[in-house]
Amino acid sequence: AQTVTQSQPEMSVQEAETVTLSCTYDTSESDYYLFWYKQPPSRQMILVIRQEAYKQQNATENRFSVNFQKAAKSFSLKISDSQLGDAAMYFCASLYNQGGKLIFGQGTELSVKP
Amino acid sequence: NAGVTQTPKFQVLKTGQSMTLQCAQDMNHNSMYWYRQDPGMGLRLIYYSASEGTTDKGEVPNGYNVSRLNKREFSLRLESAAPSQTSVYFCASRRAGRTDTQYFGPGTRLTVL
Repeated sequence: AQTVTQSQPEMSVQEAETVTLSCTYDTSESDYYLFWYKQPPSRQMILVIRQEAYKQQNATENRFSVNFQKAAKSFSLKISDSQLGDAAMYFCASLYNQGGKLIFGQGTELSVKP
Repeated sequence: NAGVTQTPKFQVLKTGQSMTLQCAQDMNHNSMYWYRQDPGMGLRLIYYSASEGTTDKGEVPNGYNVSRLNKREFSLRLESAAPSQTSVYFCASRRAGRTDTQYFGPGTRLTVL
């Protein structure tokens, strides 16, 4: 069975600083995909970034980047130049091949201090 | 394009009552999903429909039924609500290929007294 673990229930960062959110996963599949979703207080789930396991290059999207360590099964999210609007719950997720189902971690609540 | 829509946004039920959560997408997606979100547990898959005419159980299907009415609509039914089903429910859809991104609706907050 696939599992995703986020060991940091809460994180805090100063505005304009950098923060890294941790995620580890376990899967028996050789080809898989990993995602970070953001959930602001509005509850809307917003895709932040995705990583294909077969790609060695880490994905980046503007201020968001990942550190994908395949051997260690680690998938952390780095947010640079943090902004007040980045405050949200962040979920790490892995894609399960059958049916395209997502397995989510428990979430990390990020607060941004002005 | 409205994306994925869910009705209602909020609902309060008494134990034993039944209700149906509605979900619709206008993106011509093939696959649709129902998740529940509980504090400290992330989102967990209840049921999914990989394509029109098919449905399968997810991680936590007990107490729920689903209907894929057509390609656009995927409903979730609680036949006899229990307090343990108090949660936020999300519907999601995905185009076709297994790598395609899932898009989520705004969620329904359900309280069972």
